Amino acid sequence: TQLLEQSPQFLSIQEGENLTVYCNSSSVFSSLQWYRQEPGEGPVLLVTVVTGGEVKKLKRLTFQFGDARKDSSLHITAAQPGDTGLYLCAGDDRTSGTYKYIFGTGTRLKVLA
Amino acid sequence: EAEVAQSPRYKITEKSQAVAFWCDPISGHATLYWYRQILGQGPELLVQFQDESVVDDSQLPKDRFSAERLKGVDSTLKIQPAELGDSAMYLCASSLFVQGLTGELFFGEGSRLTVL
Repeated sequence: TQLLEQSPQFLSIQEGENLTVYCNSSSVFSSLQWYRQEPGEGPVLLVTVVTGGEVKKLKRLTFQFGDARKDSSLHITAAQPGDTGLYLCAGDDRTSGTYKYIFGTGTRLKVLA
Repeated sequence: EAEVAQSPRYKITEKSQAVAFWCDPISGHATLYWYRQILGQGPELLVQFQDESVVDDSQLPKDRFSAERLKGVDSTLKIQPAELGDSAMYLCASSLFVQGLTGELFFGEGSRLTVL
């Protein structure tokens, strides 16, 4: 089973600061998704990246897929309290011949006002 | 707006008892997933259905867990007997399967299980 390690595990920052979350694996993924989960709710998709080296921007969030499609990063500019939540990366694992999504270990972000 | 429905939201049970969770995916979504999530960690895939067929249950503890999707629509996940280590959030997700493409997973609000 492919594994996705996220770092840092926890992050507490002040409003207005920038941050980067990393998602790393030793395996290659066909695509990678980022989700955000708030307490008591299921994860919600933020973005999907499919091409090595791809960069996508969603307002203050910038997502990058590594050239070798083994890693990804999420950068948040000028964080706001509304960005607080659990950030999860998920890789599209097709090694078993089926499509299944393997989730990373998670990064819990708290943005203080 | 279409949603994935799960019930119950919360379940407290004693160890050795049986427990069941129900999920109704978004209409038309052929793929259904059950994940288990320990607080603060990433979800772990337990079982994946394509229509009524199981396509992956490699991480499902089959001695105590079972899952079915008899008509290819809603699904039930059962645990019998429950153990203390089963305390977690059980998340159901569905996706619109298109061959060769990566789809979005739509999650329900989850069923939080506490085993005493």
